[in-house]
Amino acid sequence: ETGVTQSPTHLIKTRGQQVTLRCSSQSGHNTVSWYQQALGQGPQFIFQYYREEENGRGNFPPRFSGLQFPNYSSELNVNALELDDSALYLCASSLGPGLGTEAFFGQGTRLTVV
Amino acid sequence: GESVGLHLPTLSVQEGDNSIINCAYSNSASDYFIWYKQESGKGPQFIIDIRSNMDKRQGQRVTVLLNKTVKHLSLQIAATQPGDSAVYFCAEMANTGFQKLVFGTGTRLLVSP
Repeated sequence: ETGVTQSPTHLIKTRGQQVTLRCSSQSGHNTVSWYQQALGQGPQFIFQYYREEENGRGNFPPRFSGLQFPNYSSELNVNALELDDSALYLCASSLGPGLGTEAFFGQGTRLTVV
Repeated sequence: GESVGLHLPTLSVQEGDNSIINCAYSNSASDYFIWYKQESGKGPQFIIDIRSNMDKRQGQRVTVLLNKTVKHLSLQIAATQPGDSAVYFCAEMANTGFQKLVFGTGTRLLVSP
């Protein structure tokens, strides 16, 4: 167990809908990153939040957005869902955004878009 | 680039054998490398890391080798056990001011008793 918890574990949505995924970071961790993992592939970086601000983003469109709260928990929001958004969404927390700081992953949320 | 393969290569070994999983990374500016283990239905789990100023690092039953000349990383698992069966990913990170892990193509390790 990493101490990083994600909810829900599974979710089914219809194309065009919006979804919110949640992540509670490990105690003491102020940095949260979100990744998308399509079936049979490695995780791909979506964005990172550090002290409630987005401080880095991958190649994902603006309909992927996030929030980080004062307790450092985080949300990932996806608008106008597309079939290709079906994936495992992973949250990782760390003590800071710096190089070499170990990231601890949650178990993920499996999103299916139909 | 950051693309990853659609088809996972598989390494099948017998219990007790040593396993070697290889990875080619893409960014010559990457400073930090990590190996993760991912079991079915779970998130990636940290195994071992190595910085770019090192070429070898050892942990418990695992060794990571880094060859920056050819941008190659390997994970050696000694005395492989059935519990080691999982998908293994290498990941690289450059010093960009934020933690962006770029994952390589995973390798499925199957350990037979």
